[in-house]
Amino acid sequence: EVQLVESGGDLIQPGGSLRLSCAASGFTFSNHAMTWVRQAPGRGLEWVSTITYDGGGTYFADSVKGRFTISRDNSRNTLYLQMSSLRVEDTAVYFCLRGYMTPDFWGQGTLVTVSS
Amino acid sequence: DVVMTQSPLSLPVTLGQPASISCRSSQSLVHSDGNTYLCWFQQRPGQSPRRLIYKASNRDSGVPDRFSGSGSGSHFTLEISRVEAEDVGVYYCMQGTHWPRTFGQGTKVEIK
Repeated sequence: EVQLVESGGDLIQPGGSLRLSCAASGFTFSNHAMTWVRQAPGRGLEWVSTITYDGGGTYFADSVKGRFTISRDNSRNTLYLQMSSLRVEDTAVYFCLRGYMTPDFWGQGTLVTVSS
Repeated sequence: DVVMTQSPLSLPVTLGQPASISCRSSQSLVHSDGNTYLCWFQQRPGQSPRRLIYKASNRDSGVPDRFSGSGSGSHFTLEISRVEAEDVGVYYCMQGTHWPRTFGQGTKVEIK
């Protein structure tokens, strides 16, 4: 059974940094590109970032470019999202997804709240 | 960026009746490999989204056959043949052809 479990969400002050993790199981992690999508409270879905299966390619939404970094450790079956210079508008549930063209599985999400 | 426009944004439906959601993209979603990367996701209240349809018309395993996807190019439709109570939620289309990936605004399906 495919499982994606996000962690690392927290209450953080504007300007701060945070690292999210996504632990994958039930499939061959190193064969799949992975994606982060976020959802602000009561709002729709926003694509954030994608990383290729081997980490050789990364893509970012303009809203996070230069502030967020995506990475993966295929030996640990884990995806990361390093977030810095956080803004109030980054407040959202962050979901980890398998795939990048037709993502098929989502995690349960982890809540990031940016507030003073 | 490719803009995904869904309509309607709110859809009250009577149980057992059909429902239809439209999703239009500002550019063709036909990829250079010949595929059309348009997905539909369902988000029930309090849950993560789950994929229902991929490549415009392919239903995922375990998805009831009352759900169907159709369309091509830049106009797509999700249809529910007979709405059931468990179908309440928000439905999103998403394009995976162009960067950045983009979602529709979401359509909230509720029971009248």
